[in-house]
Amino acid sequence: KNEVEQSPQNLTAQEGEFITINCSYSVGISALHWLQQHPGGGIVSLFMLSSGKKKHGRLIATINIQEKHSSLHITASHPRDSAVYICAVFNSGGSNYKLTFGKGTLLTVNP
Amino acid sequence: DSGVTQTPKHLITATGQRVTLRCSPRSGDLSVYWYQQSLDQGLQFLIHYYNGEERAKGNILERFSAQQFPDLHSELNLSSLELGDSALYFCASSPFDRAGANVLTFGAGSRLTVL
Repeated sequence: KNEVEQSPQNLTAQEGEFITINCSYSVGISALHWLQQHPGGGIVSLFMLSSGKKKHGRLIATINIQEKHSSLHITASHPRDSAVYICAVFNSGGSNYKLTFGKGTLLTVNP
Repeated sequence: DSGVTQTPKHLITATGQRVTLRCSPRSGDLSVYWYQQSLDQGLQFLIHYYNGEERAKGNILERFSAQQFPDLHSELNLSSLELGDSALYFCASSPFDRAGANVLTFGAGSRLTVL
């Protein structure tokens, strides 16, 4: 079982819909990152959070440390939101600290 | 432009060869991280340098090595290349030491194809 599980793997939506992408993890963490990767490969960091909720424009990220779960929400989705969204967790224990990545959620927003 | 520069963008080479990928971090960032992204494995952490010192190692093969130079740029050396090494290699940088406590800035990646 992967340390970081994302769901769904693929998501197709119509423009304007509310989108939710989920991330569950099995280890203790210090922080969780949400990344966006557009076709063509570039990766952009969207959020880094360790508790509560963060908002940036139409994007909202939440985390529940007790339940080991995070969600990324996109309000009023737009075709330009089409990308792979990747969750990554930073383990809080041990000396060999590193980011562990989920396999990503491919979002397609149709006009 | 993220401020993290990776060269080359694309590289095609043959099995058994050796290549060097280069990364210049964003101005002021002291940490450089290398990641490999393949179709079947997704993103995997390779190695992290902070201010010239190795700080953490991930799933980096013995055929691979890296270093960070005094001017903070980093190089990832891949030798005895195999078909399975074909992947996107990303570099990211951050101001401080611990990846989890920092927002990362990613480069555009170097696409390596081994034929």
